Formats: sequence, C-alpha cells, structure tokens
Amino acid sequence: QSVLTQPPSVSGAPGQRVTISCTGSSSNIGGGYDVHWYQKLPGTAPRLLIDGKNSRPSGVPDRFSGSKSGASASLAITGLQAEDEADYYCHSFDSSLSGVVFGGGTKLTVL
Amino acid sequence: VQLVQSGAEVKKAGESLKISCKGSGYTFTTNYWIAWVRQMPGKGLEWMGIIYPGDSDTRYSPSFQGQVTISADTSTTTAYLQWSSLKVSDTATYYCARSAHIPTAFDIWGQGTMVTVSS
Repeated sequence: QSVLTQPPSVSGAPGQRVTISCTGSSSNIGGGYDVHWYQKLPGTAPRLLIDGKNSRPSGVPDRFSGSKSGASASLAITGLQAEDEADYYCHSFDSSLSGVVFGGGTKLTVL
Repeated sequence: VQLVQSGAEVKKAGESLKISCKGSGYTFTTNYWIAWVRQMPGKGLEWMGIIYPGDSDTRYSPSFQGQVTISADTSTTTAYLQWSSLKVSDTATYYCARSAHIPTAFDIWGQGTMVTVSS
C-alpha cells in the first residue's frame, strides 16, 4: 500500500487528453510538499517529466503538465501519442516518515 | 552529467553484495544528494534511502533501515548500496538518482542494476 495513491491504469486514444491523479495526505502533498512526476518505460530508468515547480527538463514536450490542489496532484498529457505508453509515478516528501514517497504507479495505454 | 551503475549481479541467499553508482559531469561532493530506489519485478518504485556525499549524512526509509547500508566515496565520486546477507526477496532492479535536496525531484538517474538472488 503506497502512501501516495494512483490509479493502476488509464487509457486514451491518440490525440486525446488524459490525466493521472496522485492522492496523498496532510503529511505529504497536503502539507505543501512538491509533487514530481516520472515516466518509466520497460527496461529503462525512470525519466523526470515534471518537477514540483511545474518545470519540464529539456526534451520533455509541453504536452505534459502538472497541477496540485490540497492533498492531491495530477499529471495531464494532451495530444496523446503512442510513444506515451508507459508507467507514470508521482513522488513527494512525507514529514511523518521523514523521507521520500512514491505513488504505486499508473500504466498508461494508448488505444 | 551522468550516473553510471555497476553491472548485473547473480548471487545466492546469505551472500554479501555491494553495488555502485559513479557520478560524473558535476560536483559530486556538494549540492546534490544520491538516493537509491528499488523496483521489484512487476512492482512500483520504492525509496530506500539517501546520502549527501559531502558529509555522508544518510537517511533511510523505515522499510529498509537495518537491511542495507548506503555509503559514498568522494575520492572516486561513487555511491554504494550494500547488503551483508542477501535474501531471495532482494531480487530487484536498483536505481540510483540525484536530487538537489531530499524533497526535490530526481533529475538524473543511473541505468539500474539488476540483482538476482537465488536460494
């Protein structure tokens, strides 16, 4: 059971917009800690998509964006492409655990 | 800027192991922490712990405290993750990753080290 809760899977057709939620609590996201998002393809290392300040590293398309409200955060992907099919993870800090926490991951399927 | 990890390992339960993560292209000793993250087969990412190479300040996830040891050698700009007695359940891919502070994003990741432990 992950401290941050993500839906196990989401799907969308090419060109559509999908969102992936990440729900925490007052000791992490709700406590004002930043939420970061990663994309992970099979057999490769995770790749930072969006940091807590909603900045994208060089090379990450602006189709990816993040938002946060209360104890939840979301990753939005617009103009869905086949290459976006991957696992997505959210990441924050938890003051009760005094450490980093990840969401359980969401598998995105492009139909 | 990169983190390069040591190669895959195949070990038996009860054996010891130390895997490495070599940083280059940036100042390894200051400004950045190095974390270790586990991914068991078919499962998600789990934060194991983190070290600040400059002063060896190390924090562990409660789930991994006492199970592994994280260290760093500034002379070789390398961070390490070690086990004194492996378990079959330690079979996983282990990633190192860099962050500016403990709560900030992991902007650079190692390629991963696959560890297979048999009985």
